[in-house]
Amino acid sequence: EDKVVQSPLSLVVHEGDTVTLNCSYEVTNFRSLLWYKQEKKAPTFLFMLTSSGIEKKSGRLSSILDKKELFSILNITATQTGDSAVYLCAVQAGGTSYGKLTFGQGTILTVHP
Amino acid sequence: SAVISQKPSRDICQRGTSLTIQCQVDSQVTMMFWYRQQPGQSLTLIATANQGSEATYESGFVIDKFPISRPNLTFSTLTVSNMSPEDSSIYLCSVQPGVGETQYFGPGTRLLVL
Repeated sequence: EDKVVQSPLSLVVHEGDTVTLNCSYEVTNFRSLLWYKQEKKAPTFLFMLTSSGIEKKSGRLSSILDKKELFSILNITATQTGDSAVYLCAVQAGGTSYGKLTFGQGTILTVHP
Repeated sequence: SAVISQKPSRDICQRGTSLTIQCQVDSQVTMMFWYRQQPGQSLTLIATANQGSEATYESGFVIDKFPISRPNLTFSTLTVSNMSPEDSSIYLCSVQPGVGETQYFGPGTRLLVL
């Protein structure tokens, strides 16, 4: 059974801090790893990672994948109160389960002014 | 990215009744999925909605409880049948425009069953 574990489960920081969110996974037929931000109902797409060692960046957010050690990190620098959300990591399988996303528990990030 | 809409955005229903949730995409997409997020939990895949054929259900989900339709490449419905309070969740549709592309989520339907 595919498994995704995120840590920490919750994190409280102050504006301007840098945070690192972790995601480890076990999947039979790995295709990609995705990060989402969930503020109310709908998860918003952040990154999709398929290759090891290639950092993806979008503004203050960046992410990297290590397919040998089976983990990914999401970094947020100079955090703002608007970064407060649940951050979800998901792994997409290939083969007969193609398309299926298996999600981790999420990391609840709270940024205080 | 695809623009996805869901109806209704929220509903309060009585136990024993059924609710149909609609998911509409602004462009043709290869794959559509339905997820459930129970209170305080992460997302769990219910099924893959297959165009023109029966949906593919994940373990623990059955067609009688969650019938799904996908008549074309831009539209799908999920019905939650014979509801109980345990069905209170957020239901989300997602789409993947093509093979190897990112999966995007609709705005979700928040369901409360009394």
